[in-house]
Amino acid sequence: EVHLVESGGGSVQPGGSLRLSCAASGFTFSSYGTTWVRQAPGKGLEWVSAISSSGVSTYYADSVKGRFTISRDNSKNTLYLQMNSLRAEDTAVYHCAKKADDGLNLYYFDSWGQGTLVTVSS
Amino acid sequence: EIVMTQSPATLSVSPGEGATLSCRASQSIRSFLAWYQQKPGQAPRLLIYGASTRATGTPARFSGSGSGTDFTLTISSLQSEDFALYYCQQYDRWPITFGQGTRLEIK
Repeated sequence: EVHLVESGGGSVQPGGSLRLSCAASGFTFSSYGTTWVRQAPGKGLEWVSAISSSGVSTYYADSVKGRFTISRDNSKNTLYLQMNSLRAEDTAVYHCAKKADDGLNLYYFDSWGQGTLVTVSS
Repeated sequence: EIVMTQSPATLSVSPGEGATLSCRASQSIRSFLAWYQQKPGQAPRLLIYGASTRATGTPARFSGSGSGTDFTLTISSLQSEDFALYYCQQYDRWPITFGQGTRLEIK
């Protein structure tokens, strides 16, 4: 069974930094692209960033480009999101998700973690 | 970026009845559309991909249709566990974008 468990969330002041982690198990992590999707309190889903299975290709939403960096360590089955220059509008639950097993380079997501809450406030 | 617009924002339906949720893309996304269900305090769950293919474990009462810019998620004979939030997502082009969601509530 696929498990994705996020950690690293917390409270931080505007301008601060956090590093989120997502520990994966139950599948061959190195074979699947993965993503971060966030959800502000009471709001909808917002895609943040994605990374290919090898880590060579990365993708970002305009709202986080230049501030967030996605990476992965396939030897540790772990996905990361380094978040710098945090703003109040980055406050959200951050979910990691696994790209579906379709054999194609299509990024829709068949397994999700429960998320970790990031609060940016002074 | 491709803007995904879902309607209605809230849909009130009685158990046992059917429901139709809509999702429109600001430009053609071919059939690269997924639907997710989210219940309070839970992670989203993939229901439909490729606009019309049910994901593993999705009950047959859920069906998806459409291509290009207009898509529909139809739920026949609503069960109590179907009352939730539903999101569409396009994956034709970067950046990936989600619709704002439709809340399906008990009438």
